[in-house]
Amino acid sequence: DAGVIQSPRHEVTEMGQEVTLRCKPISGHNSLFWYRQTMMRGLELLIYFNNNVPIDDSGMPEDRFSAKMPNASFSTLKIQPSEPRDSAVYFCASSLGQPTRTIYFGEGSWLTVV
Amino acid sequence: GENVEQHPSTLSVQEGDSAVIKCTYSDSASNYFPWYKQELGKRPQLIIDIRSNVGEKKDQRIAVTLNKTAKHFSLHITETQPEDSAVYFCAANSNFGNEKLTFGTGTRLTIIP
Repeated sequence: DAGVIQSPRHEVTEMGQEVTLRCKPISGHNSLFWYRQTMMRGLELLIYFNNNVPIDDSGMPEDRFSAKMPNASFSTLKIQPSEPRDSAVYFCASSLGQPTRTIYFGEGSWLTVV
Repeated sequence: GENVEQHPSTLSVQEGDSAVIKCTYSDSASNYFPWYKQELGKRPQLIIDIRSNVGEKKDQRIAVTLNKTAKHFSLHITETQPEDSAVYFCAANSNFGNEKLTFGTGTRLTIIP
């Protein structure tokens, strides 16, 4: 299996621009997670989908962030408008859920907002 | 919600010595405790996990212990090697049916040759 696939791997954008991050989970996995990693805040869960339905979005920082999962093989995380403080590595991850529960991370999308 | 604390934040050990990283969690309902290793510029990868029905699990040089009464769990790495240098994260999951993990703040482990 190719693992969790994210794009773009690196993005540099200007403040105020819209950013869209994309994720393809591992085939057959029914849970999908978006995490954000920064030096200051570590690994934070932004949102978690199960069977394409958002289950927990309590980590989404504010209305500028939105996430969708239109089908079992694709998800997007959108930031509009972007701000310099959004600069971080955004990881998508997926899991088969019970009983194995192992979460597999993608390579990450490195976002820099200038 | 769950809160996971991890110590120490940095750890340096001589090659061949053992390293121990400790985590505590707040939610007594937590029942799954994985450990992830993240090398510089790479993604976190699972190295070992433990569930609440066991107290210890071992995989070659890596072991994890769990004390449910005290709500803490630890990662033990024996006979450390340079390739063990990385950031290690503990995590906990508290809700059956909700698969989200709450991560600790990470430990940067450096193995000194």
